[in-house]
Amino acid sequence: RKEVEQDPGPFNVPEGATVAFNCTYSNSASQSFFWYRQDCRKEPKLLMSVYSSGNEDGRFTAQLNRASQYISLLIRDSKLSDSATYLCVVLAWNQFYFGTGTSLTVIP
Amino acid sequence: GAVVSQHPSRVICKSGTSVKIECRSLDFQATTMFWYRQFPKQSLMLMATSNEGSKATYEQGVEKDKFLINHASLTLSTLTVTSAHPEDSSFYICSARDGLINQPQHFGDGTRLSIL
Repeated sequence: RKEVEQDPGPFNVPEGATVAFNCTYSNSASQSFFWYRQDCRKEPKLLMSVYSSGNEDGRFTAQLNRASQYISLLIRDSKLSDSATYLCVVLAWNQFYFGTGTSLTVIP
Repeated sequence: GAVVSQHPSRVICKSGTSVKIECRSLDFQATTMFWYRQFPKQSLMLMATSNEGSKATYEQGVEKDKFLINHASLTLSTLTVTSAHPEDSSFYICSARDGLINQPQHFGDGTRLSIL
């Protein structure tokens, strides 16, 4: 079983839509959680850390459910520039584990 | 925010050449740096964890004599692909994190390596 699992998509949504991604992790001792965004042929960039109480940054909201061992990312009012691959990353035992990424395309 | 610089961004060279890639943390000290490779439409694959002042820890299946890692200072790690062959062509990305617990890693710009 993979440490981190994500639905690879692709998600194709119209501009202005709300879209949500989920990610599950297997290690109950996982300490920290992050969402990264990766554009085609570019390096991943940190989008946001995910805190136990949930956190919001503009149109982006991240949630953590430790009991069910999943994290989520909600994007409201999607923009064309949100098109990218979104990577779920989990830190456990001082090692980072990556999901395979979820591909999002926002359509005009 | 934290910045990680990676150089060069693009390398095209003949088979048999050794290629050196540098990864620098610009505004923080990185006791640990990570080296990844990524093939098209695939996820990042961790190759090795580079620890300042000690030997790198390689992932299973990664040849340490093929991919030489040196982490001589708290701001610089290098990856040398020795005697590169076409199958080594890939996108190589480094990342670094500072010593604070639970902090994310920050990625360099990546190096696109093409071996002819």
